[in-house]
Amino acid sequence: GNSVTQMEGPVTLSEEAFLTINCTYTATGYPSLFWYVQYPGEGLQLLLKATKADDKGSNKGFEATYRKETTSFHLEKGSVQVSDSAVYFCALTPAAGTYKYIFGTGTRLKVLA
Amino acid sequence: EAGVTQFPSHSVIEKGQTVTLRCDPISGHDNLYWYRRVMGKEIKFLLHFVKESKQDESGMPNNRFLAERTGGTYSTLKVQPAELEDSGVYFCASSRTGIDLGNTIYFGEGSWLTVV
Repeated sequence: GNSVTQMEGPVTLSEEAFLTINCTYTATGYPSLFWYVQYPGEGLQLLLKATKADDKGSNKGFEATYRKETTSFHLEKGSVQVSDSAVYFCALTPAAGTYKYIFGTGTRLKVLA
Repeated sequence: EAGVTQFPSHSVIEKGQTVTLRCDPISGHDNLYWYRRVMGKEIKFLLHFVKESKQDESGMPNNRFLAERTGGTYSTLKVQPAELEDSGVYFCASSRTGIDLGNTIYFGEGSWLTVV
């Protein structure tokens, strides 16, 4: 079946540190891949997405590349800020045109000043 | 444009009581979804409406959960009677018909339910 596995948190970093949050997936066919973020007291927001192999999604300094050969979609940012503190969710939909997201368990990021 | 709104934002109820969560989707969005995240676990799909019709309710955990979307606008999710394991965050989301490639849907802030 389809599943998403992401690294356990919490992740605690100092401001300006490099961030990687690992995400791997299992899916049949050609899934679309997403990173969602939930800031404290707010809802889930789409951070970035990629719909086919080798696509790179990027937004707000975050990047993730759809790697079919390693079934991964790791989230990276070169220099984190305190305002990036949030819970990050990796997710997939099994194929284009479907709506049933499969989420990972979420990774809490805490950035210290 | 207003986003997906959910009410209440937080609710604490006793085991055996009833709770009704409400979701107002983005105006013009025919598709409405409910998801939930129980403590520390992944966010899981509950069901999907297209207008007032249930398109897929395969994720509903049991018959204590009832979702409705009368008139195809807002939706309610009722839990009756609530059990301790129902505690978690209930997210509502919506999207237009004919989802763009990439299946983007828009989530609300969630309704935090605590059953004691």
